[in-house]
Amino acid sequence: GAVVSQHPSRVICKSGTSVKIECRSLDFQATTMFWYRQFPKQSLMLMATSNEGSKATYEQGVEKDKFLINHASLTLSTLTVTSAHPEDSSFYICSAPVMRGSGELFFGEGSRLTVL
Amino acid sequence: RKEVEQDPGPFNVPEGATVAFNCTYSNSASQSFFWYRQDCRKEPKLLMSVYSSGNEDGRFTAQLNRASQYISLLIRDSKLSDSATYLCVVNGGSYIPTFGRGTSLIVHP
Repeated sequence: GAVVSQHPSRVICKSGTSVKIECRSLDFQATTMFWYRQFPKQSLMLMATSNEGSKATYEQGVEKDKFLINHASLTLSTLTVTSAHPEDSSFYICSAPVMRGSGELFFGEGSRLTVL
Repeated sequence: RKEVEQDPGPFNVPEGATVAFNCTYSNSASQSFFWYRQDCRKEPKLLMSVYSSGNEDGRFTAQLNRASQYISLLIRDSKLSDSATYLCVVNGGSYIPTFGRGTSLIVHP
């Protein structure tokens, strides 16, 4: 079964609204979670690293005020896309390391966002 | 130069063929390496880790060449169900795995 649960799997929203995506680690504690975005036929692009109890670390070019990340507990990280626009439509995936520094990841099922 | 590079393909092969993908990485201090498989509109799933001595799992063989800074994946006796995108993942020691853009494989009857 899944060890990282992500939802919603699909969301359609109107332009200008905000959307929250949740990522939960099941049966293990994740002090770090990674948030990726993937456009069609493109690679996974790291958006930010979510750290439990502290601020997220954003990759260059990712607006932290637009993509709000909260990691308030050891089992939950959330990504909120604020004031969504059609160009934010994408596949968003969270992941947590199996072991710190190992490079092996547990992935959530992904959330497909469509902004109309 | 990108940190992790892969030929996006697609590689179009008949069933039963042997196909190989390479992935090059730029950080010589990289410590761990993986191949993931991603089906369309799904999350990536770990296919296999790549060990220094090379490793095999059924029809799949992964190898690491540190001197030339690349890893490879060999698939023997390709099945239709092997059609997917294969992602190379490199951990450079910063605790943040870096993904290649993936290589698309299409196995046809």
